[in-house]
Amino acid sequence: DIQMTQSPASLSASLGETVTIECRASEDIYNGLAWYQQKPGKSPQLLIYNANSLHTGVPSRFSGSGSGTQYSLKINSLQSEDVASYFCQQYYDYPFTFGSGTKLEIK
Amino acid sequence: EVKLLESGGGLVQPGGSMRLSCAASGFTFTDFYMYWIRQPAGKAPEWLGFIRNKANGYTTEYNPSVKGRFTISRDNTQNMLYLQMNTLRAEDTATYYCAREGATEGPDWFAYWGQGTLVTVSS
Repeated sequence: DIQMTQSPASLSASLGETVTIECRASEDIYNGLAWYQQKPGKSPQLLIYNANSLHTGVPSRFSGSGSGTQYSLKINSLQSEDVASYFCQQYYDYPFTFGSGTKLEIK
Repeated sequence: EVKLLESGGGLVQPGGSMRLSCAASGFTFTDFYMYWIRQPAGKAPEWLGFIRNKANGYTTEYNPSVKGRFTISRDNTQNMLYLQMNTLRAEDTATYYCAREGATEGPDWFAYWGQGTLVTVSS
């Protein structure tokens, strides 16, 4: 199985700041990577697919980058509604696997 | 608007069976791969499996963690997705989600998710 190592596990930042979440795959996943946001008590929602493509309706302050085994999600100008957990997920190979998540809070 | 609505969760005893349903609307159901994903409370999601679209013969793939116990099926006349779960264990306790793939070339990302249904396996 491809292991997805996500960091940090938790993150606290101020409104308006820029934050970055990292995800490392145990082998090359050839940009087969998605990022999801999950607000408390809600289902996960897609933010980014194919490592850097923004899903319909997602604010442009979210962006994804990376290649090979290293990927990142950047949130510019942090807003209060961005408080959530964020998960990366690879769909390059079965079984599809998720990172352990990053919990984002506002300072 | 894409909508997915799961049902059928609840309390089941260890060793028991349960079937979850997912009602889909707002898109051409037969064009898309459909997924089941679960998430124990406070943990990361886990992909369980998928069923392919019409163009790919509605065949299935499963996570080895549930292969042989869980079965995914679909009723394309009713736009329904199902997850049959057998020989349930305490570690199967989780919120179960259905999801739709992003493009029609699957398998790929989980573009749309339902609200989830909670399954609790306990005596």
